Amino acid sequence: GAGVSQSPSNKVTEKGKDVELRCDPISGHTALYWYRQRLGQGLEFLIYFQGNSAPDKSGLPSDRFSAERTGESVSTLTIQRTQQEDSAVYLCASSLDGGRGADTQYFGPGTRLTVL
Amino acid sequence: SQQGEEDPQALSIQEGENATMNCSYKTSINNLQWYRQNSGRGLVHLILIRSNEREKHSGRLRVTLDTSKKSSSLLITASRAADTASYFCAQNSGGSNYKLTFGKGTLLTVNP
Repeated sequence: GAGVSQSPSNKVTEKGKDVELRCDPISGHTALYWYRQRLGQGLEFLIYFQGNSAPDKSGLPSDRFSAERTGESVSTLTIQRTQQEDSAVYLCASSLDGGRGADTQYFGPGTRLTVL
Repeated sequence: SQQGEEDPQALSIQEGENATMNCSYKTSINNLQWYRQNSGRGLVHLILIRSNEREKHSGRLRVTLDTSKKSSSLLITASRAADTASYFCAQNSGGSNYKLTFGKGTLLTVNP
């Protein structure tokens, strides 16, 4: 079946502009995650959605970052007033049910964001 | 901050040789997972080992966990050029059973 998809695959923007990144999880997966990966680094957790529960936003680096998810489907990550340090690959993952214990996360291909 | 640290940062071997990568972490874990990342296939889950397990196998992969030393190792046997990728360990710790903390990864190059 289809995996996690993300769009756009690449985004180049100017400093100060807002960007919106999209993630389509695997159908039936109730848990959705956003991560950021800077060049040469591991992944940093940003936010977690589980069903209709309040999201865990503890990883969002600043109030310029926000994310939404409609039910158990598409999620969007919005970065307002982008800065050069926001340049990174933004990865989305989904899992069957993150709240019930060890759960394999399936990752999308990522969106490479470049802020000029 | 990143909790796990992989060692070495980079490893270059010949096809057919074994590759061993290590991961250290600082706090107690619920489980530890290994992922592979390459440009062609993105980030792929390889294997999960729980805190009460000491060793797991999956095909040519062998993962060990030593909770007393807070370390894990990933062994790839009979390596292939297609194994060339970055390998990350990720820890699930504390009260959250979903949050993963990733290390910086080991870049493995398998030369034909």
